[in-house]
Amino acid sequence: AQSVTQPDIHITVSEGASLELRCNYSYGATPYLFWYVQSPGQGLQLLLKYFSGDTLVQGIKGFEAEFKRSQSSFNLRKPSVHWSDAAEYFCAVGAAGGGTSYGKLTFGQGTILTVHP
Amino acid sequence: GAGVSQSPSNKVTEKGKDVELRCDPISGHTALYWYRQSLGQGLEFLIYFQGNSAPDKSGLPSDRFSAERTGGSVSTLTIQRTQQEDSAVYLCASSGTSVGELFFGEGSRLTVL
Repeated sequence: AQSVTQPDIHITVSEGASLELRCNYSYGATPYLFWYVQSPGQGLQLLLKYFSGDTLVQGIKGFEAEFKRSQSSFNLRKPSVHWSDAAEYFCAVGAAGGGTSYGKLTFGQGTILTVHP
Repeated sequence: GAGVSQSPSNKVTEKGKDVELRCDPISGHTALYWYRQSLGQGLEFLIYFQGNSAPDKSGLPSDRFSAERTGGSVSTLTIQRTQQEDSAVYLCASSGTSVGELFFGEGSRLTVL
């Protein structure tokens, strides 16, 4: 069965500092990988996704993530964090059964990001 | 509407009662998903509809949970004989032509007393 681990429950950074959120996955084949962000009281919003090809993917709001098959990782990065980035971040792996089954997601437990001014 | 709409936004019910949660996906989106978000279990997949195909019900936690999607659009998640452990936020998402992207609603918060 597929699984996703986000080792850090809570991360605090200063505004302007760089950020890396860790994600490790377990999946039997080439995974479909996603990062979603959830602001308080809001639904989830897709930041970026990896299906195939270039292992460094760019997303919205200045985020990027790198797929490393050898490490089963898909870490999220941002070079300079803004106060508005404070939210909860979820890594997820999608089923590769074809069609829209990629939306059948297994989520990590989430990482809460706090940004200090 | 422009996004996924869910109702009610908040529902408080008594243990043993039935509840219905509604999801109105983005117009034209053929795939619709239900998830549950709770403190103890995090985000869990419940059920998934794709067009006219039989739904993938593999995430439903018990036979008290069911869902239907009428006319390929609006979906209703029904929980019968609610239990306190059903308290959670129920999220609906839909997906269309943007491959790999799910658009989530803001959720329905269910509290079972």
